[in-house]
Amino acid sequence: DQQVKQNSPSLSVQEGRISILNCDYTNSMFDYFLWYKKYPAEGPTFLISISSIKDKNEDGRFTVFLNKSAKHLSLHIVPSQPGDSAVYFCAEQRSNTGNQFYFGTGTSLTVIP
Amino acid sequence: EAGVTQFPSHSVIEKGQTVTLRCDPISGHDNLYWYRRVMGKEIKFLLHFVKESKQDESGMPNNRFLAERTGGTYSTLKVQPAELEDSGVYFCASSRNGLAGVGEQFFGPGTRLTVL
Repeated sequence: DQQVKQNSPSLSVQEGRISILNCDYTNSMFDYFLWYKKYPAEGPTFLISISSIKDKNEDGRFTVFLNKSAKHLSLHIVPSQPGDSAVYFCAEQRSNTGNQFYFGTGTSLTVIP
Repeated sequence: EAGVTQFPSHSVIEKGQTVTLRCDPISGHDNLYWYRRVMGKEIKFLLHFVKESKQDESGMPNNRFLAERTGGTYSTLKVQPAELEDSGVYFCASSRNGLAGVGEQFFGPGTRLTVL
C-alpha cells in the first residue's frame, strides 16, 4: 500500500522551460515533504522541502507547492537546465515514526539542450 | 566532512548464498537508516538505528534479513539465504542526534545487489 505516489515515471522538457513534477499522498499526518534528486550510481541528495504548515517554499530555481486539500504537491524548476536531468523522488517525513521517509517511485527528468 | 559510504558498490550472488552489506555513516550521526529500492519501485524503508539500538525495524521483509550496528558506528545488513526477490539497490542514510530535522538524512551511494 503505497502512501506516496508519483504517477509520471518520466518527463522531458526543453532547456529554459519549466519542469513540473507531481506527487500525491494519502496520509495527512506528516511533518514535512521533501524532494530528493538522484543521479545514476549515486545516492539521493536533498533538494528542497516544505513544512506541513506551509503551502509554498522557494529556493532559487526550485519551488515546491503543497495543496493539502487535494493531498498533492509539485516541484517547479524554472528555468530548467541540462544538469537538472536526474530522477526526482518526493518523500514524506513523519516525526512520529522516527523520521523515516516514505518515498514515491520517482520521476526521471530529462532536460533537452 | 566525509559522506556516508557503502560497501560493496555491487554484489552478484546466487540464490541461497549469503551477502553482507556495510554502511559507514557520517561521523557523529546517531541515526542510521537502511532503505531498499527494487527496480522501478519506491525507495522503501527497512529499519532505523539510534546508536546501536534498533529503533524501528518494521520495514524488514522477513527473518532472512539481519541488521547490526556494532558500537553505534558502522552497520551491516546480512541477507541469508538470499532469494531472487532480494535484488535491488540498498541505501543507507544517516542523520544527527535526536529528531532529524527536515532534509537532514544524508544518503550513501547504495549497494546494487543482484541475486541470480
